[in-house]
Amino acid sequence: QVQLRQSGPGLVKPSQTLSLTCAVSGDSLSSNSASWNWIRQSPSRGLEWLGRTYYRSKWYNDYAVSVKGRITINPDTSKNQFSLQLNSVTPEDTAVYYCAKDRSLSWFDPWGQGTLVTVSS
Amino acid sequence: SYELTQPPSVSVSPGQTASITCSGDKLGDKYACWYQQKPGQSPVLVIYQDKKRPSGIPERFSGSNSGNTATLTISGTQAMDEADYYCQAWDNGTAVFGGGTKLTVL
Repeated sequence: QVQLRQSGPGLVKPSQTLSLTCAVSGDSLSSNSASWNWIRQSPSRGLEWLGRTYYRSKWYNDYAVSVKGRITINPDTSKNQFSLQLNSVTPEDTAVYYCAKDRSLSWFDPWGQGTLVTVSS
Repeated sequence: SYELTQPPSVSVSPGQTASITCSGDKLGDKYACWYQQKPGQSPVLVIYQDKKRPSGIPERFSGSNSGNTATLTISGTQAMDEADYYCQAWDNGTAVFGGGTKLTVL
């Protein structure tokens, strides 16, 4: 049974970098049939897909247009985990952030436990 | 950009059937899935590929998708089904979510 466990700070200052990690158990990050995603949820923006990393003989990333240029998702195969970095954050980036697995443009299952990240000085 | 539209709220009496719609341009040409989210919890997949149920999801949850509308149907709704429900599909390599529907069982 696949489980995703998130970690990272809950408070980030404006203009700084938001960093979160998602540890995967019960599956391999390098699976050729899975993608590893970051999704956020806020009252103003609802559920918003941010991007994904996946392995198909080599590593690929896809990012949402809304955060492209500010986002990096990196795999760490040595620890079977992946990370999210979002640069130059503003209060609008305040949200609950989730990691989730999908089977290549399919459904998200399972989800991590969620991390509330507040952007405030 | 692609949009999915859901009614903000739906009410149903216990034991009755609840239907939640999700509308998008030619949504029937894509696969739709549905998530249930209870307060303070992460979303849980309840329907995938339009009408399939993951293991552990009760049979009272069903789905359909045709034309511009996907529908989540909950038959014999129970109090425990009160939650927010979100539809989701992929468009040009981007995952899109509906705005969510609050299901009230009263």
